[in-house]
Amino acid sequence: GQNIDQPTEMTATEGAIVQINCTYQTSGFNGLFWYQQHAGEAPTFLSYNVLDGLEEKGRFSSFLSRSKGYSYLLLKELQMKDSASYLCAVTPRGSYIPTFGRGTSLIVHP
Amino acid sequence: DTGVSQDPRHKITKRGQNVTFRCDPISEHNRLYWYRQTLGQGPEFLTYFQNEAQLEKSRLLSDRFSAERPKGSFSTLEIQRTEQGDSAMYLCASSLAQTGPTEPQHFGDGTRLSIL
Repeated sequence: GQNIDQPTEMTATEGAIVQINCTYQTSGFNGLFWYQQHAGEAPTFLSYNVLDGLEEKGRFSSFLSRSKGYSYLLLKELQMKDSASYLCAVTPRGSYIPTFGRGTSLIVHP
Repeated sequence: DTGVSQDPRHKITKRGQNVTFRCDPISEHNRLYWYRQTLGQGPEFLTYFQNEAQLEKSRLLSDRFSAERPKGSFSTLEIQRTEQGDSAMYLCASSLAQTGPTEPQHFGDGTRLSIL
């Protein structure tokens, strides 16, 4: 099975940078996703990593180290609208089904 | 916008009743997933279809739960003899099978089920 761990809650200031970590233990590895979910809304896709390194997409970047079972999502120039839950999801080898972590609730304050 | 749509958005019912939810995926997507999400948790996988074939079911899916995707388009999830513990948000997602497991899932807004 998969074991995915991410912090429950983080707070940050508008305009700052925040890093949300995700560690995982899985039987084989096929890829790691990050999703954003605002309260009462659907999760929306942010990024996908399958190889080690950094994937940058605008204000958001995601990093993966497969040997360490570790990923992080980096959010720059934080805006109030970035207040949301950030879900880390891992797809094990041979599967099309990602397993989601509990999510990290990010609160951005002025 | 032709995203994933789910109906109804909210369902309140008494314990012991049967409920059915519907999901219409993005039209060209051949993979469809059902998840359950409770407050403070990530989505938990329930079941998955590729076209009309149900290929995988979670251990969470008891025999009171059944899902169908008869023509490989929309899907229904039925819960029989509902229990208090079934109260949750039921999310549907779809994806297009092109390069394997790398395609992202597109989620609907969910059906929130409340059992009285």
